[in-house]
Amino acid sequence: ETGVTQTPRHLVMGMTNKKSLKCEQHLGHNAMYWYKQSAKKPLELMFVYNFKEQTENNSVPSRFSPECPNSSHLFLHLHTLQPEDSALYLCASARAELNTEAFFGQGTRLTVV
Amino acid sequence: AQSVTQLDSQVPVFEEAPVELRCNYSSSVSVYLFWYVQYPNQGLQLLLKYLSGSTLVKGINGFEAEFNKSQTSFHLRKPSVHISDTAEYFCAVRTNSGYALNFGKGTSLLVTP
Repeated sequence: ETGVTQTPRHLVMGMTNKKSLKCEQHLGHNAMYWYKQSAKKPLELMFVYNFKEQTENNSVPSRFSPECPNSSHLFLHLHTLQPEDSALYLCASARAELNTEAFFGQGTRLTVV
Repeated sequence: AQSVTQLDSQVPVFEEAPVELRCNYSSSVSVYLFWYVQYPNQGLQLLLKYLSGSTLVKGINGFEAEFNKSQTSFHLRKPSVHISDTAEYFCAVRTNSGYALNFGKGTSLLVTP
């Protein structure tokens, strides 16, 4: 148990659906991240929030929309996804000070049908 | 920009044998280095980290790594592996100019009897 909780753990959605992934941490961290992990690909950083402000967006398609209402919660809103978006989506949090590690949630296994 | 290279995608090893998983990084600035482990259908768990000081760092589960600045390497080692060490191992780097971790492609360690 890392202190970072992701829900749901598994999600199957159609290409026309709208769904949201949720991430929550109560570790007192002020930076939160979304990563995408696909089979046979490295972990891809999608979004970075630092003190609730988005500081990085690594050319992620607009069908992925992040939201960070406070430093403890992070959402990833999904709409009109493609089958190639099927992957494990990992949330992580860290203190904004740079010499610290990130703590990861268990991930949401997303399947787009 | 910084990048991480894990040269071996798969490393098969017999139980109780030693193992080394290689990691090289490229960065023009000071870095902080991490090794994470991922068991099937799980998130990432921190094994160890190098922030500063002694170049030999010890982590959980009997793993250790050595930071070599001249060779820009941070190889992970364990003198005697167990079946339970079978997992995916990721090397990651964080610099003093960014907030997020950048990961290598991962090395799959398979320990057999």
